Amino acid sequence: DQQVKQNSPSLSVQEGRISILNCDYTNSMFDYFLWYKKYPAEGPTFLISISSIKDKNEDGRFTVFLNKSAKHLSLHIVPSQPGDSAVYFCAASAKSRSGSEKLVFGKGMKLTVNP
Amino acid sequence: EPEVTQTPSHQVTQMGQEVILRCVPISNHLYFYWYRQILGQKVEFLVSFYNNEISEKSEIFDDQFSVERPDGSNFTLKIRSTKLEDSAMYFCASSGYTEAFFGQGTRLTVV
Repeated sequence: DQQVKQNSPSLSVQEGRISILNCDYTNSMFDYFLWYKKYPAEGPTFLISISSIKDKNEDGRFTVFLNKSAKHLSLHIVPSQPGDSAVYFCAASAKSRSGSEKLVFGKGMKLTVNP
Repeated sequence: EPEVTQTPSHQVTQMGQEVILRCVPISNHLYFYWYRQILGQKVEFLVSFYNNEISEKSEIFDDQFSVERPDGSNFTLKIRSTKLEDSAMYFCASSGYTEAFFGQGTRLTVV
């Protein structure tokens, strides 16, 4: 049961160009969406998030767009840098009654930024 | 910058043995989590812990698993009788009211 889907396993872009990473979800109860970046042998590192009340959130080179009607979100990185090369995970959550957030992760997408 | 720390970084154990994975969450966080990632697969939720009790757990988190916050700073995951399929990276995470922060993970290898 894939509630969060990242359908493309990998993406390769040239340095300086835009990277667009896509994510789809099926559970309409999700109200908070996050992107994590992961290097080999390290834990996921939080990158950027967006609440369901917004459709865009920007932080420097990173922008996340949310289309609730399509249950789709995307992460734009511009300009892409070689240091951005990593596995990117989309995650979604719905606040439980206790307030804790169970994150549901996508399978991840490997981004390679070529110099 | 505050961080979640996990020990050990790598644990090798024999099948059937008990293991305890340790985590020190960020000090002012309220919610604590364990996730795991089997090699080549996605990161999977195991359990969340709040106010000294489990708030949610996945189907993976069966009777072989338990969590504890014994002293107000450490957060532990115990696997009572390890199986080969428990081999994975185990990530601890903690959160306040926003995003979860993850530790570096413990690689558990069951032989």
